[in-house]
Amino acid sequence: DVKVTQSSRYLVKRTGEKVFLECVQDMDHENMFWYRQDPGLGLRLIYFSYDVKMKEKGDIPEGYSVSREKKERFSLILESASTNQTSMYLCASSLWAGDEFFGPGTRLTVL
Amino acid sequence: AQKVTQAQTEISVVEKEDVTLDCVYETRDTTYYLFWYKQPPSGELVFLIRRNSFDEQNEISGRYSWNFQKSTSSFNFTITASQVVDSAVYFCALSERTSGGGADGLTFGKGTHLIIQP
Repeated sequence: DVKVTQSSRYLVKRTGEKVFLECVQDMDHENMFWYRQDPGLGLRLIYFSYDVKMKEKGDIPEGYSVSREKKERFSLILESASTNQTSMYLCASSLWAGDEFFGPGTRLTVL
Repeated sequence: AQKVTQAQTEISVVEKEDVTLDCVYETRDTTYYLFWYKQPPSGELVFLIRRNSFDEQNEISGRYSWNFQKSTSSFNFTITASQVVDSAVYFCALSERTSGGGADGLTFGKGTHLIIQP
């Protein structure tokens, strides 16, 4: 079974802190994704990557950056966390379009 | 650009009733995939079904069934004889295949909160 894991289920940070959200997949998938989920808005794509060291902006990349140094790991970085980045963050991976697997999510609160 | 619309924000029914969740999508691609996910209160997304654009056959899995109609760009989900455990937020999503066959992420609807009352 494909497994996508995220480093934390819950995270509390202060405004202005640098925040790292880590995602690891164990099935050698090419594609990895970061989404955020907010009530009434559904899930929105922040960034994705289709290869090591490659990244593409999704629909809402502002305030975020990503890093993919190894195929299995995709990190989401909040350079200076703000309260409007309080959200549920979900990571996913896929080998091809139509094959996305999701991690359990990280609920981030920025105070 | 692709778009997924779930017009029903919240549905509340009594246990054992049948309920249909609507999903309408927009895409210019001829090759695409449609999904339904369930998100219970625990927060984890549970995959329910994937359907590619070339397969319009309806599908039934136990109490769940899906009706895919390209003519109306709809992919509706019906739960028969609903149960309290079906209470969750349900998301419809669309994935388009890039020219290289890769993936550029899912476009989600805003979700329908289904409440099944005992």
